[in-house]
Amino acid sequence: DTGVSQNPRHKITKRGQNVTFRCDPISEHNRLYWYRQTLGQGPEFLTYFQNEAQLEKSRLLSDRFSAERPKGSFSTLEIQRTEQGDSAMYLCASSLGSYLRQYFGPGTRLTVT
Amino acid sequence: TQLLEQSPQFLSIQEGENLTVYCNSSSVFSSLQWYRQEPGEGPVLLVTVVTGGEVKKLKRLTFQFGDARKDSSLHITAAQTGDTGLYLCAGPLTDSWGKLQFGAGTQVVVTP
Repeated sequence: DTGVSQNPRHKITKRGQNVTFRCDPISEHNRLYWYRQTLGQGPEFLTYFQNEAQLEKSRLLSDRFSAERPKGSFSTLEIQRTEQGDSAMYLCASSLGSYLRQYFGPGTRLTVT
Repeated sequence: TQLLEQSPQFLSIQEGENLTVYCNSSSVFSSLQWYRQEPGEGPVLLVTVVTGGEVKKLKRLTFQFGDARKDSSLHITAAQTGDTGLYLCAGPLTDSWGKLQFGAGTQVVVTP
């Protein structure tokens, strides 16, 4: 299967700890997106990359959040000093060209205790 | 702010029944998309509608885009248990070429 993969699938951490998630997009997809989804809500846009360039960041993305996509392939999303409000599903998606055809990964569920 | 409101929030029906879910906005969208999301998985794109008044059919699913491109509906005929899931509508934000705005979704449960 060559779909979008995310690791880990689940992460439980204590408040104040740092966590890092990884997303591997579909091979040759030049765009990569990160979203956050809380219970009862649709995904909320966090940021997106075109190749290795981070082109847009949501105001939701506080300075505790950082995302990278070195070499334009996989991407990492790091959350520093986690808070209970960071508990959510973090989704990654990728697309080739148009952002209207995004393929989503299975997500990483973060629980901050 | 371009907001997408979905209704109802939750729908429970029996197999074989029909259902319709709605996606409404006060803003005009250049296109709207429908996704289905199952528990523990990411959303999967079902369809994109781009023309006002457009109707698209995907087997038992019928998607309609309003004439004014502010609303859309999804109708499922003779629902099956496999149709259970969270149905999300999404549209591109006019101030960005990379951002999709999602509605909160309609949770559909189809029981045998």
